[in-house]
Amino acid sequence: EPEVTQTPSHQVTQMGQEVILRCVPISNHLYFYWYRQILGQKVEFLVSFYNNEISEKSEIFDDQFSVERPDGSNFTLKIRSTKLEDSAMYFCASGPRGSSYNEQFFGPGTRLTVL
Amino acid sequence: KNQVEQSPQSLIILEGKNCTLQCNYTVSPFSNLRWYKQDTGRGPVSLTIMTFSENTKSNGRYTATLDADTKQSSLHITASQLSDSASYICVVSGTLGRGGSQGNLIFGKGTKLSVKP
Repeated sequence: EPEVTQTPSHQVTQMGQEVILRCVPISNHLYFYWYRQILGQKVEFLVSFYNNEISEKSEIFDDQFSVERPDGSNFTLKIRSTKLEDSAMYFCASGPRGSSYNEQFFGPGTRLTVL
Repeated sequence: KNQVEQSPQSLIILEGKNCTLQCNYTVSPFSNLRWYKQDTGRGPVSLTIMTFSENTKSNGRYTATLDADTKQSSLHITASQLSDSASYICVVSGTLGRGGSQGNLIFGKGTKLSVKP
């Protein structure tokens, strides 16, 4: 069964460094998302992406964040200058075209630790 | 403000017992409500998805109910198994995003279920 994959599973970085989190959505899905979950807290929406542009973004998704779909398969989240409070699990999700349920399939997540 | 509240925060039950988890939401407008199971350190996995016109939906030992008038949902787990130990998250989808894209999901904090032998 196709699934969303994410790399790396765990990323450790120094404060102020740039990180790129990678996701391979399910092929033929057209809608892509990033969420984050700070330890012990609920999952929070960051951004949705469709037709090569951002559809929606939350207040969390400020100028330090950017997303890109550099080729036909990868979907990346870049954090330009990481802060301690960026430490969290980051989940990528993708959704198929024509889903009346706004169905989204989540990847296993990347744990980002900012030191 | 769009919110999803869940209760209880945590629950411990014995293997083989049933349990019911609750969800109240204030998301408006409302598109659909789903229940996810999230194992520790993993991504959420969808259990059920319901639109406002659906009152109940089952997936194996999981049965979700929805009352769109009172904005309440429940997830009933029957004959619990040790593998049911996880967080169960109620998620509400609001309106679709612009340009026909899919809107974002609003998550509850989840109920942490522990099934003991």
